[in-house]
Amino acid sequence: QSALTQPASVSGSPGQSITISCTGTSSDVGSYNVVSWYQQHPGKAPQLMIYEVTKRPSGVSNRFSGAKSGNTASLTISGLQAEDEADYYCGSYAGRVPFWVFGGGTKLTVL
Amino acid sequence: QITLKESGPTLVKPTQTLTLTCTFSGFSLTTGGVGVGWIRQPPGKALEWLAVIYWNDDKRYSPSLKSRLTITKDTSKNQVVLTMTHMDPVDTATYYCARSQWIELPDHFAPWGQGTRVTVSS
Repeated sequence: QSALTQPASVSGSPGQSITISCTGTSSDVGSYNVVSWYQQHPGKAPQLMIYEVTKRPSGVSNRFSGAKSGNTASLTISGLQAEDEADYYCGSYAGRVPFWVFGGGTKLTVL
Repeated sequence: QITLKESGPTLVKPTQTLTLTCTFSGFSLTTGGVGVGWIRQPPGKALEWLAVIYWNDDKRYSPSLKSRLTITKDTSKNQVVLTMTHMDPVDTATYYCARSQWIELPDHFAPWGQGTRVTVSS
């Protein structure tokens, strides 16, 4: 069982917006602004999409945005495109122990 | 350009020790704030953080696997080595290494290596 809770799946039509939640506790997501999000296409390595809750690395589309409220972080993808279909994982620093945790992953289907 | 690549055996027997090497380029593990971490992913399952080592030789381990893991670095070779003892079939997974950064706190992992598939079977 993963430390951070994500919905198993979400779906949306091209052009729509979707939001993926990542729920932790006051010991991880709620305490630190170092939540990151990773996109993983089948058979590929994860790729960083968002870090420090809201920051986008160079080269990542501005259709991807992050937010946090309390113990829950979220990733929003606007203007859905077929290429966004992938698995998405959140991760967060979790204090001295257990140090780092990932979510269970969310499969995004673009209808 | 930053790249990382994992190497090691593709098949290990139960009870054996797994040794994986991450060879990287484009950054140095002597630079403040830089680290290299290991993450694994069993087939069809989620990512699981294993360990990370930082520029100052600070090492952190997943509590559930701490007794089985050792992470070391060789800055002259730009390599990080992860050893995992007492391998079991449940340890079958793709093992990734990734650059980590400690900015104000331990931060994200990027970029990632391509991963190496390890199967544990007799």
